[in-house]
Amino acid sequence: QVQLVQSGSELKKPGASVKVSCKASGYTFTSYAMNWVRQAPGQGLEWMGWINTNTGNPTYAQGFTGRFVFSLDTSVSTAYLQISSLEAEDTAVYYCARGTALIASGVPFDYWGQGALVTVSS
Amino acid sequence: SYVLTQPPSVSVAPGKTARITCGGNNIGSKSVHWYQQKPGQAPVLVIYYDSDRPSGIPERFSGSNSGNTATLTISGVEAGDEADYFCQVWDSSSDHPVFGGGTKLTVL
Repeated sequence: QVQLVQSGSELKKPGASVKVSCKASGYTFTSYAMNWVRQAPGQGLEWMGWINTNTGNPTYAQGFTGRFVFSLDTSVSTAYLQISSLEAEDTAVYYCARGTALIASGVPFDYWGQGALVTVSS
Repeated sequence: SYVLTQPPSVSVAPGKTARITCGGNNIGSKSVHWYQQKPGQAPVLVIYYDSDRPSGIPERFSGSNSGNTATLTISGVEAGDEADYFCQVWDSSSDHPVFGGGTKLTVL
């Protein structure tokens, strides 16, 4: 069965970096897009962007350029989200979510990771 | 960018029908996906491409989309349906997906 298992909660100080992992199993990792979605406490869902798991080409939404980096290690079917220069406003749950095709355009997200809570506090 | 508008909350008695709307400019020309999110859990896809149901989602969940409004309908509402529901479309002008603000469904 398809599973996306994310790394655990993180507590970081402002200015630090964090790397969240999303390990996929139960399907061919390089055949489906991987999206990243942020959910701030008590708020809605915000799409951060996606990465083409076949080419490694990332696409970032407005507001998620510069400090946010998507990457892959296809040898272990894992996607990564790295956030640098953390700010208090980055405190949120970060989800990886599989698109139903290799290209993200228009497709739904059929499987989600359990989420990784990143807390930024001094 | 494209804006999706959902009512913040909808309340319904058990066994009745809940309708959750998602408004957007000519949304009927787009494909709408719906997600259910229970407290402390990840979202789950419940309707995709306006009205298709993933395997494992009860037939009580259905969707429609026309004009400026898409609707998620839950028939015979159960206590376990209490959750936040989010609609999503692809905004071709910005080339990225957009989520509605979410609707909290309360089962009375």
